[in-house]
Amino acid sequence: QVQLVQSGAEVRRPGSSVKVSCKASGGNFNNYIINWVRQAPGQGLEWMGGIILTFGSVKKAQNFQDRITITTDESTSTTYMVLRGLRSDDTAVYYCARGAYCGGDCSSPFDFWGQGTLVTVSS
Amino acid sequence: QSVLIQPPSASGTPGQRVTISCSGSSLNIGSKTVNWYQQLPGTAPKLLIFNNYQRPSGVPDRFSGSKSGTSASLAISGLQSEDEADYYCGAWDDSLNGPVFGGGTKLTVL
Repeated sequence: QVQLVQSGAEVRRPGSSVKVSCKASGGNFNNYIINWVRQAPGQGLEWMGGIILTFGSVKKAQNFQDRITITTDESTSTTYMVLRGLRSDDTAVYYCARGAYCGGDCSSPFDFWGQGTLVTVSS
Repeated sequence: QSVLIQPPSASGTPGQRVTISCSGSSLNIGSKTVNWYQQLPGTAPKLLIFNNYQRPSGVPDRFSGSKSGTSASLAISGLQSEDEADYYCGAWDDSLNGPVFGGGTKLTVL
């Protein structure tokens, strides 16, 4: 059974960075993308970016182009997301989610999700 | 403001059929498939419908999806109390060059 297990909650000061991890297990991850999606309190879902595991290439949402880094460590099947220049409105639950790689311009469904990591940005 | 537009709320009584709409444009729903997610309170989203109408293994056939033009719909028949959740539509957007979501619809079972 596919599982995505994320790191624990974080509290950060404005202007700092946060690193969230997502460890994958139990399934085939060839030709899959690990996506990062966030959800601010009481708000909807926002896609931030993703990494194609087979190729290691990263795609980022326009809103996060300059602030996000996504990497993967194949030896531990763990994907990392670093968000820099944190602001109070970055307070949110951050999810990783698996999606199939389908050429880059298709609505790949996110079939498995991590449990979420609450990141609180406060001075 | 979300790219895909959903009503903020919907409601129904047990046993009823409810539908949730998702409106987009030719840049997303009009040219790409639609997925639906269910998010129970305090939990991560769960894939409910993919490729417009297909159900992952384990999703009851009370849930169905459809698409016409630049809009999609999620229908839930035989409404149950455990269906009370937030529902999100999602699709690729050619303009933003990435996946986008609707703002979510909170379903209340009266």
